[in-house]
Amino acid sequence: AQKITQTQPGMFVQEKEAVTLDCTYDTSDPSYGLFWYKQPSSGEMIFLIYQGSYDQQNATEGRYSLNFQKARKSANLVISASQLGDSAMYFCAMREGGSGGGADGLTFGKGTHLIIQP
Amino acid sequence: DAEITQSPRHKITETGRQVTLACHQTWNHNNMFWYRQDLGHGLRLIHYSYGVQDTNKGEVSDGYSVSRSNTEDLPLTLESAASSQTSVYFCASSSGGAGVGKTQYFGPGTRLLVL
Repeated sequence: AQKITQTQPGMFVQEKEAVTLDCTYDTSDPSYGLFWYKQPSSGEMIFLIYQGSYDQQNATEGRYSLNFQKARKSANLVISASQLGDSAMYFCAMREGGSGGGADGLTFGKGTHLIIQP
Repeated sequence: DAEITQSPRHKITETGRQVTLACHQTWNHNNMFWYRQDLGHGLRLIHYSYGVQDTNKGEVSDGYSVSRSNTEDLPLTLESAASSQTSVYFCASSSGGAGVGKTQYFGPGTRLLVL
């Protein structure tokens, strides 16, 4: 079973609208972290936001916020007031605590291709 | 500014050849990772290292090896390149220690084509 599921392969959104990118995850580990990365057409991976499984509040970073619903195992990324420069691939990723103490690699979803239209 | 670099950025090779991709970070991070990115698969973990002389296999390690002789570098070697290893390769690093919240910072990637 996939550990990270991103159900929206592609999205078209009008500029200045808010965007929600879906991410659901699967883990039995009580300690885990959820990350979102942006990959523009130039190819680099840019860290956006992080949410820990024990965090009481949803994470926010500027125009980015994470709608964390633990019981539903979802960690949706919300981008407020979208801009043309937000057009990119967006990846949700998870790191589980496990026996490695948090130093193991990330498990990524397959990504959502977001296109912002003027 | 601290950074993570990869070289070469583009590489074309032939099947059966040995190829080494370089990764160098100046963050002084203990943890380093190699991923490959293929269409329809997202990024998948190849190998990772917690520190000097430490290496571990990831999800898709067959045909790849790494060695860690210092903190700054984690080269990835394809022992005998295969067409299935045509991909984009990303190196990443994070600070060490316990905790799931250690953000990984990625290099710019290397595009490898195996003919």
